[in-house]
Amino acid sequence: AQSVSQHNHHVILSEAASLELGCNYSYGGTVNLFWYVQYPGQHLQLLLKYFSGDPLVKGIKGFEAEFIKSKFSFNLRKPSVQWSDTAEYFCAVNEDSNSGYALNFGKGTSLLVTP
Amino acid sequence: DVKVTQSSRYLVKRTGEKVFLECVQDMDHENMFWYRQDPGLGLRLIYFSYDVKMKEKGDIPEGYSVSREKKERFSLILESASTNQTSMYLCASSPRVGTGSTGANVLTFGAGSRLTVL
Repeated sequence: AQSVSQHNHHVILSEAASLELGCNYSYGGTVNLFWYVQYPGQHLQLLLKYFSGDPLVKGIKGFEAEFIKSKFSFNLRKPSVQWSDTAEYFCAVNEDSNSGYALNFGKGTSLLVTP
Repeated sequence: DVKVTQSSRYLVKRTGEKVFLECVQDMDHENMFWYRQDPGLGLRLIYFSYDVKMKEKGDIPEGYSVSREKKERFSLILESASTNQTSMYLCASSPRVGTGSTGANVLTFGAGSRLTVL
């Protein structure tokens, strides 16, 4: 079955530490890849997306992600986290086809950044 | 700004009640979605619609139905609410785009409706 796996459910980092959140998917065809973020009390918003081209994509607030096709991975990174990055992060995938309208989400990673 | 509005932020209902969750988007998007969000389970797709009066089952449609009479409105219906339907419900919409390099189907989410069933 198609699935999206996020390896870390809870991550605690100190400010200025580097962040990498893992995401793997099990789709066989061409995919579109996303990271969404949900800050406390706020709605889900798009952090970055990949659909073709340069496999290293940059998003808002200094986040970036790298698509490695051979590893079926789309890991999220940030070189230096801030307290305001405390949030829940979701990786999502959809197939690049006419029927692939919906996104399939991972279970999320809760990030706590301590001062 | 793109807007997805969910009419109720918090609802408390009793077991067996019929519950309507309303979602309206003002972006002329073709696609609309209902997800539920539970701690440790992420977002799970309940139903989606890619056109007026069209609907498709998602991963967990049991106990739910939907209605899409107008392009901008997508309603989620719990015919007989049960305690295991206590959850955060998220509505989203997206434009219909082609495949290939323009095929990124970016969803815009509403603020969510937190439903408690007693």
